[in-house]
Amino acid sequence: GENVEQHPSTLSVQEGDSAVIKCTYSDSASNYFPWYKQELGKRPQLIIDIRSNVGEKKDQRIAVTLNKTAKHFSLHITETQPEDSAVYFCALMNSGYSTLTFGKGTMLLVSP
Amino acid sequence: GAGVSQSPRYKVAKRGQDVALRCDPISGHVSLFWYQQALGQGPEFLTYFQNEAQLDKSGLPSDRFFAERPEGSVSTLKIQRTQQEDSAVYLCASSLAQGMNTEAFFGQGTRLTVV
Repeated sequence: GENVEQHPSTLSVQEGDSAVIKCTYSDSASNYFPWYKQELGKRPQLIIDIRSNVGEKKDQRIAVTLNKTAKHFSLHITETQPEDSAVYFCALMNSGYSTLTFGKGTMLLVSP
Repeated sequence: GAGVSQSPRYKVAKRGQDVALRCDPISGHVSLFWYQQALGQGPEFLTYFQNEAQLDKSGLPSDRFFAERPEGSVSTLKIQRTQQEDSAVYLCASSLAQGMNTEAFFGQGTRLTVV
């Protein structure tokens, strides 16, 4: 099956700083890369996604970059706010499958 | 409904007991997925339905786990003879089209504790 490594496992930043979470993968056929945010006790929610024909996508304070050659993709959050505190999961899907493989998650803590 | 609904939200089972977890997907969603999320981990795939057909059950950890979606809408995940290692949050997700490369919406999960 597919494998995805996510780093760091925890990330603490001050309000207003930027946060970057990185995921690496092994299967070059992976073609869809979403990021999910999960607040404590709540459901995972899609915050941004990118497909393999795009290198970067931005939505307000959130951006995702994809490097297919190096097989890694990253989530960038700028001007972090306390409400950004949550666990963030990267995921990916191979065109030969219909389901997502998730990373182990990054707990982001934004201190006011 | 407004979103994916799962019941019960919490379930405590004695070891050896059978449990049934229910998922009501968003109306009209073709695809339905079950994931298992252990504490501090990412969701792990269990099984996938396209309408009533179970197309992939490769993630089910043992033959004690069984899932069905008989009419292509509501799905039930059944765990027989529960064991402590089954303790986890069980997440259901649905998506409008085939597979998960259109947005998948998750339910709030059922937290199963086996004592």
